[in-house]
Amino acid sequence: KNEVEQSPQNLTAQEGEFITINCSYSVGISALHWLQQHPGGGIVSLFMLSSGKKKHGRLIATINIQEKHSSLHITASHPRDSAVYICAPIYSNYQLIWGAGTKLIIKP
Amino acid sequence: DAGVTQSPTHLIKTRGQQVTLRCSPKSGHDTVSWYQQALGQGPQFIFQYYEEEERQRGNFPDRFSGHQFPNYSSELNVNALLLGDSALYLCASSSRGGYTFGSGTRLTVV
Repeated sequence: KNEVEQSPQNLTAQEGEFITINCSYSVGISALHWLQQHPGGGIVSLFMLSSGKKKHGRLIATINIQEKHSSLHITASHPRDSAVYICAPIYSNYQLIWGAGTKLIIKP
Repeated sequence: DAGVTQSPTHLIKTRGQQVTLRCSPKSGHDTVSWYQQALGQGPQFIFQYYEEEERQRGNFPDRFSGHQFPNYSSELNVNALLLGDSALYLCASSSRGGYTFGSGTRLTVV
């Protein structure tokens, strides 16, 4: 069983739709990163969160440490949001555990 | 505030050669991790340096080695390059789990 499960693996939506990507993990952690990678590009950390909810522009991330679950939401999605989104919990030794990623395509 | 800087951005090497990739961490970060990302795949952890020592290592052969300098910058060295080493090499610096990633070095082995 993978330590990090992301769903969906692939998501295609129309511009303006509300997007949700889910992440479940099996080990105890203290915090988690949501990462974004555009095709051929480097990786950007969107959020690092350890509890509750964080918001940055149209992006919202939530985490429930006890239930071992996190979600990333995108409101009013736009084609420039098209990218791979990766959930990466942080081990107690500060090592990242990588999810397989969700490939998001937003069509105009 | 400069983030993580990697150099070079692109590199072409011949099979059997050696390569050195460089990474300057974000200011205030003391830990550097290296990842290999093959085309269409997720990043694979190579190793992590902290206090100039290799703290963690992934499942990579000894051809992959590294170094961290007193200013926390780091190098990744790969010897006896194989075609399969062609990938995007990502460096990430961190402090207490907060990661910042570089844009990567695209290595092509021909």
